[in-house]
Amino acid sequence: DAGVIQSPRHEVTEMGQEVTLRCKPISGHDYLFWYRQTMMRGLELLIYFNNNVPIDDSGMPEDRFSAKMPNASFSTLKIQPSEPRDSAVYFCASSLATGETTEAFFGQGTRLTVV
Amino acid sequence: AQSVTQLGSHVSVSEGALVLLRCNYSSSVPPYLFWYVQYPNQGLQLLLKYTSAATLVKGINDFEAEFKKSETSFHLTKPSAHMSDAAEYFCAVRPSGNTPLVFGKGTRLSVIA
Repeated sequence: DAGVIQSPRHEVTEMGQEVTLRCKPISGHDYLFWYRQTMMRGLELLIYFNNNVPIDDSGMPEDRFSAKMPNASFSTLKIQPSEPRDSAVYFCASSLATGETTEAFFGQGTRLTVV
Repeated sequence: AQSVTQLGSHVSVSEGALVLLRCNYSSSVPPYLFWYVQYPNQGLQLLLKYTSAATLVKGINDFEAEFKKSETSFHLTKPSAHMSDAAEYFCAVRPSGNTPLVFGKGTRLSVIA
């Protein structure tokens, strides 16, 4: 398996524009997670899905953020409108539903810069 | 809520020296603990995980961690640092079941030649 695939790797956009980040989880994984990494706050969980259903989106910072998982092999994280403070590295991760010791597998991340 | 605390945001060691990265957890029940490594411009990669089968856990690249319940710690060690070990290291805990991992703030390891 190619692992978790995220696209694009880098995104530079102007304030106010819509940004869509994409993720393809590892085939067969039941859980998908979106994290955001910043210098100030470290790694924060934004939202996670189980079998394509959103379970907890309490980490989504504002209504400007939305995430979908239309099928088991694809998820998107959308920011509309984007703001400079959204600049961060966004990671997607996936895991099997096999219990407490199951590790999450991470993609290489999307570095978002909003100018 | 369960959490982990990583002591020291930056650790610097000489090549060949012992690496010690500290992680303490807050938990009233047996925690499920992980160490991940992030190389520059890369995603996170699992180094090792505690499964309660043994208190001393061996991981990749000669890293190991010891679970000490009395100290609520899960420190990461490596006997001899290599230049290639320079990276960010994250301790994480899974509160229960299939809940998401909760990460510490990370420790950046620098290795000096």
